[in-house]
Amino acid sequence: QVQLQESGPGLVKPSQTLSLTCTVSGGSISSGSYYWTWIRQPAGKGLEYIGRMYTSGSTNYNPSLKSRVTISIDASKNQFSLKLSSVTAADTAVYYCARSAGSYLSYYFYYYMDVWGKGTTVTVSS
Amino acid sequence: QSVLTQPPSVSAAPGQKVTISCSGSSSNIGNNYVSWYQQLPGSAPKLLIYDNNKRPSGIPDRFSGSKSGTSATLGISGLLTGDEADYYCGSWDSSLSVVVFGGGTKLTVL
Repeated sequence: QVQLQESGPGLVKPSQTLSLTCTVSGGSISSGSYYWTWIRQPAGKGLEYIGRMYTSGSTNYNPSLKSRVTISIDASKNQFSLKLSSVTAADTAVYYCARSAGSYLSYYFYYYMDVWGKGTTVTVSS
Repeated sequence: QSVLTQPPSVSAAPGQKVTISCSGSSSNIGNNYVSWYQQLPGSAPKLLIYDNNKRPSGIPDRFSGSKSGTSATLGISGLLTGDEADYYCGSWDSSLSVVVFGGGTKLTVL
């Protein structure tokens, strides 16, 4: 059974770069047709899609964050990572990594997150 | 402001049935599939429904999903106190090229 675990600093200073890693266990990050996704949730608020990377290397980022986000995969370590630059207090949130399935089915596109990490809290503060 | 619209809260008694609505547009729900997630207090979201009405292995059939036009509905029957959680709908938005979510609905089992 695939499991995901986020890791990284819990405190980041304003204007610096937030860096998180998601370690995949119980399966290979390179096997199957999955997207590897990052989602965040500010305290007491809803879910926000950050972006995803496909096993082929293609990426998709939320336009609202695109200029600051980079998602990458290190298949040798079975990990994928998130970098968010020039952070502000508005980037304070719980960050989740997730495995996602997505494709066209009968002309409609499906995309859902079927395995989630437990989340890691990142606070942006000096 | 979330792209998909959900009621902030719903409540019902144990054993009863509740429905949670999710309203969108032609660029998301109207032309793409809907998924639903359950977030228990202090926990990560968990996939409940995908492809509008399919349940992952291990999700009881008390949970159901449906879609009509640009709206979707999550149904939960035989409510248990353990069902108290926040529920989120999600869908791909073809215009924005992102996954969009509802603002979440807090279920209280009285």
